[in-house]
Order: sequence, then C-alpha cells, then structure tokens
Amino acid sequence: DVKVTQSSRYLVKRTGEKVFLECVQDMDHENMFWYRQDPGLGLRLIYFSYDVKMKEKGDIPEGYSVSREKKERFSLILESASTNQTSMYLCASRVSSRSGTSGLQETQYFGPGTRLLVL
Amino acid sequence: AQSVTQPDIHITVSEGASLELRCNYSYGATPYLFWYVQSPGQGLQLLLKYFSGDTLVQGIKGFEAEFKRSQSSFNLRKPSVHWSDAAEYFCAVVAGEYGNKLVFGAGTILRVKS
Repeated sequence: DVKVTQSSRYLVKRTGEKVFLECVQDMDHENMFWYRQDPGLGLRLIYFSYDVKMKEKGDIPEGYSVSREKKERFSLILESASTNQTSMYLCASRVSSRSGTSGLQETQYFGPGTRLLVL
Repeated sequence: AQSVTQPDIHITVSEGASLELRCNYSYGATPYLFWYVQSPGQGLQLLLKYFSGDTLVQGIKGFEAEFKRSQSSFNLRKPSVHWSDAAEYFCAVVAGEYGNKLVFGAGTILRVKS
C-alpha cells in the first residue's frame, strides 16, 4: 500500500525560527512535491523535486528552501519563519514524469499534512 | 497558464440526494484532470482521473465525473450522497513543462444533512 508520511501533524514555532518539515515515501517514487494549503486558495506548489538532489521552484517558493539527499525523503525548510507562513503543508510523491508523458497520468499520493502555526 | 475554477465554495445536500460539484479548467491542449477528496484533518485521496478516451470516468466511493471539452468542465457526480461523503473536494489539472505539477482549484466543502 502507498505510504507518504510527514514528521509532524502539528507544529508551533516562533517568528524567526528555522523550521524543518520532513516527508518520507516508501514507494520508490522519483518525484516529490511540497504544497501549502490555505482556505479559499486550494493547494499551491512551493517546490518539487524530480530526483535526488534535483529541485525546481513551484509557484510560491519565496521564504522556503528544500533538500532531497535521499530518494525517499524530501525536506521543506523555512529559514526564518514568519506569521504569514502559518498554514497546512502537504507533501506528495509520484513516479517520474521526466521521460515522455508516461508520468503525466500518474497519481500524486499525499501525506496527512503538517499544520504549522507561527507565533 | 493553466487554471482551475470551482465556483461553489460550500454545498449542502441531504443524505440520499444526488450531488454535482462543478469544475472548470483553462488549458490549451487535452488536459489531464483529477478529483481529490480531503476528509477533516487528513491528506488528499484520489477519487478519479481523466486522460483520454471515454469522457465518463468512474472512481472510488461511487463517484463519477464527466469530461466536456466544449464546456471546459469536469464535474463530479454521485447519485446518492452518504453522510461520510462530507469533506472538501478539489479538482486539479496537470500543468508545467513536463507535467510536473498539479494546479488545484480552491476546493468545495460538502456538508451532508440528515
């Protein structure tokens, strides 16, 4: 069965702290994604990684960075947390879409989310 | 740029009644379309997806969706709603140079009254 896990369900941090959100998948997927979810805005892509050590910016990368040292793990980093980064963060993974169009049809599998509150 | 519009923020239906959630997309070529559901406090679960072929797609939990190119729509339907269907529903389209991301609509919150 497909499994995407996120290290924390709830986090409370203070403004200026460095925050790490971890995501692990056990499906040997090449592609991994970080989204943030806000009411009325749906999900917006922050960063994605199409393979180990490979990353690309999504639609809202400002204030975030990522790390993909191992295939199964994709970390989202808030270098200096701010209150406007209070949100729900969702990680997803998928088989590769870099070769041809085969990956386009593949499902993204989501983790349960991390709800982050920055005070 | 690709976009997805879900016109209804909230919908309330009675248990046993039929359901239709609307989704309109903006995309130049043949779109790859998805419907996901999110129960409270949970991640997203795929209900169904469309890539080509038959425009009526069957999914899990008794849901179906119909792709209508002329209307740029991909509406989700269920003939008889159960209380456990109360959740938030997201429509999404594949986007990006290599189809490497999903663009989501804002979501529709479904409430089911008994």
